[in-house]
Amino acid sequence: GQQVMQIPQYQHVQEGEDFTTYCNSSTTLSNIQWYKQRPGGHPVFLIQLVKSGEVKKQKRLTFQFGEAKKNSSLHITATQTTDVGTYFCAPAQLNEKLTFGTGTRLTIIP
Amino acid sequence: DGGITQSPKYLFRKEGQNVTLSCEQNLNHDAMYWYRQDPGQGLRLIYYSQIVNDFQKGDIAEGYSVSREKKESFPLTVTSAQKNPTAFYLCASSILDVPGTEAFFGQGTRLTVV
Repeated sequence: GQQVMQIPQYQHVQEGEDFTTYCNSSTTLSNIQWYKQRPGGHPVFLIQLVKSGEVKKQKRLTFQFGEAKKNSSLHITATQTTDVGTYFCAPAQLNEKLTFGTGTRLTIIP
Repeated sequence: DGGITQSPKYLFRKEGQNVTLSCEQNLNHDAMYWYRQDPGQGLRLIYYSQIVNDFQKGDIAEGYSVSREKKESFPLTVTSAQKNPTAFYLCASSILDVPGTEAFFGQGTRLTVV
């Protein structure tokens, strides 16, 4: 399976500030998924990116897939307390095991 | 309601005992997974199964065992050979053969060894 690294591991931001997490792979990815896990909860699917250079938006969240399909990012504009949690990327290969990046834990300072 | 159910939510085990965590799904998904999560850490794959009566080791399979006798069920046994079993265990399922399908997770089981 694919091995991906996420940075940063932790991020503390003031409410209203922006937040970005990056997912990097040493190999080309077929596609990539993003999940969010609230404190004490379970991961929930956010989105999937498939095409080189793809950009998708969900309200204040912007997801990008690199041109070389080796990296991806999640950007949150004007964070809110509801954004607290850990964000995971997951390279998703057809019919292969599902593994997750190391995750970025976001905390919000009110 | 379709979904994936894990039980129990909390589990306490004495050292040296085996314990089995339940995972059931009614989503008709082919693939099922077990992950372990330690405090402040990511998700590590223990075992996964893509078809009934077949399963594969993940990255941290030592001290664990699974079975897949039915499509709907994928129980995980934490054996006494697992040196540090206290953790949060998550089960997930997904469709195979269709690119880009999301994984659905259960609510998780918190296992504590006392």
